[in-house]
Amino acid sequence: GENVEQHPSTLSVQEGDSAVIKCTYSDSASNYFPWYKQELGKGPQLIIDIRSNVGEKKDQRIAVTLNKTAKHFSLHITETQPEDSAVYFCAASISGGYQKVTFGIGTKLQVIP
Amino acid sequence: EPEVTQTPSHQVTQMGQEVILRCVPISNHLYFYWYRQILGQKVEFLVSFYNNEISEKSEIFDDQFSVERPDGSNFTLKIRSTKLEDSAMYFCASGAGYNEQFFGPGTRLTVL
Repeated sequence: GENVEQHPSTLSVQEGDSAVIKCTYSDSASNYFPWYKQELGKGPQLIIDIRSNVGEKKDQRIAVTLNKTAKHFSLHITETQPEDSAVYFCAASISGGYQKVTFGIGTKLQVIP
Repeated sequence: EPEVTQTPSHQVTQMGQEVILRCVPISNHLYFYWYRQILGQKVEFLVSFYNNEISEKSEIFDDQFSVERPDGSNFTLKIRSTKLEDSAMYFCASGAGYNEQFFGPGTRLTVL
């Protein structure tokens, strides 16, 4: 089955700096890669996703990149703000109606004001 | 904006008791899921449900677990005889298809 590795497990950055979280996956059949943000007491919230036919996707301060050959994908947050502090999960899935999502361990991001 | 809701937010039960965790998925979604997250560990897939039947389940989802969609709005997870190791955060998710899954806030289950 799919295995998703994520690092770092914790990340502290100064407000305004960039944050990068990296993930690898094992199943070459995976072709959908969502990123979730989990705030305290809440469930994971989808913040951005990328499909395998795309190498990069950007949404305001958030960007994701995918290297399908190397089975790597990354989340980049620029101009970090204190409200970006949360746990971020990368995940992988095979495109389809009811495909399960396999999560990474999560990265606890702390943005220091 | 529509969202997935879950009740209760926290459930405390004695080992060996049955628990039912409830979820109301987003109304036009067709695919339903349960995941769990043991403290400090990954979010793990339990089961997916489509067209009134289980479409996939993990090795965690043994005979002690069952799911049901008793009416047009609720989706439940039942654990028949809880064990200490069932203590976790349980997340319900729903999707309209083609991968995007929307998660509820979770139910924290504590088995004593």
